[in-house]
Amino acid sequence: DTGVSQNPRHKITKRGQNVTFRCDPISEHNRLYWYRQTLGQGPEFLTYFQNEAQLEKSRLLSDRFSAERPKGSFSTLEIQRTEQGDSAMYLCASSLGSGLETQYFGPGTRLLVL
Amino acid sequence: QQPVQSPQAVILREGEDAVINCSSSKALYSVHWYRQKHGEAPVFLMILLKGGEQKGHEKISASFNEKKQQSSLYLTASQLSYSGTYFCGTEIGDAGNMLTFGGGTRLMVKP
Repeated sequence: DTGVSQNPRHKITKRGQNVTFRCDPISEHNRLYWYRQTLGQGPEFLTYFQNEAQLEKSRLLSDRFSAERPKGSFSTLEIQRTEQGDSAMYLCASSLGSGLETQYFGPGTRLLVL
Repeated sequence: QQPVQSPQAVILREGEDAVINCSSSKALYSVHWYRQKHGEAPVFLMILLKGGEQKGHEKISASFNEKKQQSSLYLTASQLSYSGTYFCGTEIGDAGNMLTFGGGTRLMVKP
């Protein structure tokens, strides 16, 4: 399978714990995006990378959220001191990075904070 | 600013047609359409660039009215597999930036 992959697919955690999600983009895709989706809503942009550089961050991304893409390949999204409001589906997408962009989404990581 | 999609939900019989609209208050560079089934990732359908372009994909096509900053998705002779939630994602500025998604249109096709 050469699509975008995300791990884990599901995560249940207790409030206050830290969690980390991983995204592996389609190989040779230079751009990688993180979105958050809550039930019944469209995806909301969080941040995106061009290779290893983080180019834009949404104001939705509080100080508790951090994302990295250390070698321009896979990316991690960490949430520190989770809150119940962080419960959502976290989607990763990637695109080629060379013009009019199609973003291909991964299956997402569903987070439940108890 | 989030684009506005209408209708919020629609129920069709197999073989019927539907139109889903996506309107923005901002000047758009492009509009991206996705379909998402319950519990799955959004699946890309098509991109439309400013300029009034119309595109087609089998029995699904779309248009982009730059003057109105509105895109419409046309589903003709609907099939059961068309059921899902349709999202438009809008892009302002240059290509390759983040998408701002609408609230979605839930489509159910019944036999």
